[in-house]
Amino acid sequence: GQQLNQSPQSMFIQEGEDVSMNCTSSSIFNTWLWYKQDPGEGPVLLIALYKAGELTSNGRLTAQFGITRKDSFLNISASIPSDVGIYFCAGLNSGGYQKVTFGIGTKLQVIP
Amino acid sequence: NAGVTQTPKFRVLKTGQSMTLLCAQDMNHEYMYWYRQDPGMGLRLIHYSVGEGTTAKGEVPDGYNVSRLKKQNFLLGLESAAPSQTSVYFCASSGRNAGGYTFGSGTRLTVV
Repeated sequence: GQQLNQSPQSMFIQEGEDVSMNCTSSSIFNTWLWYKQDPGEGPVLLIALYKAGELTSNGRLTAQFGITRKDSFLNISASIPSDVGIYFCAGLNSGGYQKVTFGIGTKLQVIP
Repeated sequence: NAGVTQTPKFRVLKTGQSMTLLCAQDMNHEYMYWYRQDPGMGLRLIHYSVGEGTTAKGEVPDGYNVSRLKKQNFLLGLESAAPSQTSVYFCASSGRNAGGYTFGSGTRLTVV
């Protein structure tokens, strides 16, 4: 089946630094999604990408849908303590019941 | 808007006991899902439903049963709990468009 490789699996950064994480797949997706999970909560959708090459921003977050449709990255600029959490990438192919394949997650910790 | 509500939030079971986790959504979503989240494993799909009265197996269905008697509710049952089922369980729902999932806040289950 489809698998997503998400990296890095964890990272410690200083407050104010920029962060980059990425996701690659063995097969193509029609939609890429990025979620954030705060400690003790469920994942919340941050950004959805629907077209190859699409670059979308949401505040300090920027995500891109790779040209090959097999990868995506998420950048966070000027990190702040509340950015702490687990970031999941997810790939989706429309049709049927919307089966979403999740990456293993990137655990981000911000040092004040 | 409540979104997706899971009950209970925490539970401790003894091996062999049974229990039911309840998920309720108020967004009129067609699709509902149960995931489990374990350290280093990401989110794994247990069962899902594409509509009222329908259910299907996901990646890790063994030891679990589900029912969707009403569109807004999706129940996850453990007939005979095992320590390997200690996990955090998330319910999610989605509509027909490719907009991704809305997650509940999770149920933390410990089987001793």
